[in-house]
Amino acid sequence: DGGITQSPKYLFRKEGQNVTLSCEQNLNHDAMYWYRQDPGQGLRLIYYSQIVNDFQKGDIAEGYSVSREKKESFPLTVTSAQKNPTAFYLCASSIDRQLSATNEKLLFGSGTQLSVL
Amino acid sequence: RKEVEQDPGPFNVPEGATVAFNCTYSNSASQSFFWYRQDCRKEPKLLMSVYSSGNEDGRFTAQLNRASQYISLLIRDSKLSDSATYLCVVNRLDTGRRALTFGSGTRLQVQP
Repeated sequence: DGGITQSPKYLFRKEGQNVTLSCEQNLNHDAMYWYRQDPGQGLRLIYYSQIVNDFQKGDIAEGYSVSREKKESFPLTVTSAQKNPTAFYLCASSIDRQLSATNEKLLFGSGTQLSVL
Repeated sequence: RKEVEQDPGPFNVPEGATVAFNCTYSNSASQSFFWYRQDCRKEPKLLMSVYSSGNEDGRFTAQLNRASQYISLLIRDSKLSDSATYLCVVNRLDTGRRALTFGSGTRLQVQP
């Protein structure tokens, strides 16, 4: 079955450490996204990518980095510069990179809960 | 002002009740609107798109008021399984950014 796989489900980071969250999709979707969700809050966009080898900053990109070397993979690195990394991280993809009105539906992975030790 | 605003709730309603949520958006250039449902500690899932003429899917009705810049979701005959957080989502096509903007969600708790 096609879908989006995020791993790990739970991740712990020590102070000063970089950690990488994995996101893989086998849906042949062009666009992929990373969102962060804090308790009681909505999703905030970190980075997005509309095509391989290209990505754009979202609203809260500071302290994060991404790569898009393959269509199916969009890993997110939480760097030591991100001082408040504890959150639920959600990866998503959509079939249409232009997000036209009829194809804007996002499909999400099951998320990664990142906590600081 | 947030781009998308929702009443956080929680809305505590008995089974069988009708409940309505509203959501306001700040940018008149917003063109596409959706309701997503999110269960606790799970990923959001698309509940329904919201069309200008209003649309219905079973017990769920969504409406859009462009003049007042709000969208609504009506749930009839609430079930226990409707308990979740409902996220209002909008998209703007006037910027180079191609991504959806999420509200913070309205929590619904349906009680037996």
